[in-house]
Amino acid sequence: AQSVTQPDIHITVSEGASLELRCNYSYGATPYLFWYVQSPGQGLQLLLKYFSGDTLVQGIKGFEAEFKRSQSSFNLRKPSVHWSDAAEYFCAVVTNQAGTALIFGKGTTLSVSS
Amino acid sequence: EAGVTQFPSHSVIEKGQTVTLRCDPISGHDNLYWYRRVMGKEIKFLLHFVKESKQDESGMPNNRFLAERTGGTYSTLKVQPAELEDSGVYFCASSQVAGGPYGYTFGSGTRLTVV
Repeated sequence: AQSVTQPDIHITVSEGASLELRCNYSYGATPYLFWYVQSPGQGLQLLLKYFSGDTLVQGIKGFEAEFKRSQSSFNLRKPSVHWSDAAEYFCAVVTNQAGTALIFGKGTTLSVSS
Repeated sequence: EAGVTQFPSHSVIEKGQTVTLRCDPISGHDNLYWYRRVMGKEIKFLLHFVKESKQDESGMPNNRFLAERTGGTYSTLKVQPAELEDSGVYFCASSQVAGGPYGYTFGSGTRLTVV
C-alpha cells in the first residue's frame, strides 16, 4: 500500500537558520506530491506541489522542495526560517491521476527559537 | 473567492449523542472530500463526492458515519451515535477538477471531542 513517511515528529530551528523537512513515499510510479502547512487555529494551506517537470519546486512563503526519484523523497527546504514559520507541516501524495484521496504523512511540528 | 468553510469549528458532545458537521466548498467545485485526523495519527481520507454522488467512500470507518451532499453544494457529515474514538479534527476539502495536480483547498477543520 502507498504510504508517506515523515521521520521527524518535531524539529526546533533557530530563527534565521536553514530548514529541511524530510518526506519519503512508497509507490511504484511517480505520484503527485504536496506539502501543506497548518498554523495554530488555521486550516491546511498548500505550500507547493510537484507533478512533473523541474524537480525543484518553488512554493509560497519562500519554501522549496526537491523531488528525488532515486530516493523516493520530496524534502521541503527554506534557507532562512522566520518565527512565523512555526507550524505543523504535512507531506502528502496522490497516486492515481484520476483518483481522489491524498495520503498524508504524520506531520512534522516545527518550533522556531529566537 | 471565498474559501472552504466548515462549522462548527469546535464541538464537544457526550458519547452516544449525534453530531452533524457541515462543509461549504468553494463555489463551482464539484469535488468535495472529507478527511479526519485522530490525535497522534495522520490525516486520513474518509470520502469523496462528485457533485451529489459519492465517488469513493472507502475511508468511512463504520456505519455510524453518514455523509450527504444534497444538490451538490454543501455537505454534512453526521456521526450517530458518537463514540470516544471519533474525537479528532475533521477536515473538508474541495477541488474544481478531481485528480492530483490540480490541488485541494482545505477548510479550517472541525475539532470534535466526544466525552
